[in-house]
Amino acid sequence: DTAVSQTPKYLVTQMGNDKSIKCEQNLGHDTMYWYKQDSKKFLKIMFSYNNKELIINETVPNRFSPKSPDKAHLNLHINSLELGDSAVYFCASSQGRIFVAGANVLTFGAGSRLTVL
Amino acid sequence: RKEVEQDPGPFNVPEGATVAFNCTYSNSASQSFFWYRQDCRKEPKLLMSVYSSGNEDGRFTAQLNRASQYISLLIRDSKLSDSATYLCVVIFDRGSTLGRLYFGRGTQLTVWP
Repeated sequence: DTAVSQTPKYLVTQMGNDKSIKCEQNLGHDTMYWYKQDSKKFLKIMFSYNNKELIINETVPNRFSPKSPDKAHLNLHINSLELGDSAVYFCASSQGRIFVAGANVLTFGAGSRLTVL
Repeated sequence: RKEVEQDPGPFNVPEGATVAFNCTYSNSASQSFFWYRQDCRKEPKLLMSVYSSGNEDGRFTAQLNRASQYISLLIRDSKLSDSATYLCVVIFDRGSTLGRLYFGRGTQLTVWP
């Protein structure tokens, strides 16, 4: 059983299109995240939801809109895709929002590789 | 300056070698530290937390130096399966981070037979 599952795994699309990536976790966690990993391999947080409430919203273009219908799902919709949006998008989840050594492990999905042509 | 800096490598070592990576962080208020491992085209996975007194998990040893603001990961007796990218993760202001972890760009390790 996959703990954090994302779909699609690969997405190739044209500039200007709108696309969505879905994420579901079956760990019973109350907090979910979207991270972006660019070509330089930096992982940067984009959004975080705790019990369906948005708690982290980094400086991300408003073309990106997360939606959390329930605490087990966090979807990412991207409007008017641009070349610079090409990256791997990772969904993640945790129980609780505060991380201390030895606790609150962040569990990642397998990633969704988005290529904008 | 990035919050977390790592030497991207690559480090290429033979099986059985001992290899060490360092990671420096900019915020002296940093509270929690972790090492994650990311295999090629896979997701990051927690390798180990880093405790103030240093900690060991089998062949892996993590150290924290608050005065110099760096953490390290030592891998002894390297195996082929250790080949991966090792990501340093730091949390600033533990009480108010709301889950905001800062990742380094990772250090790539290749262990050859």
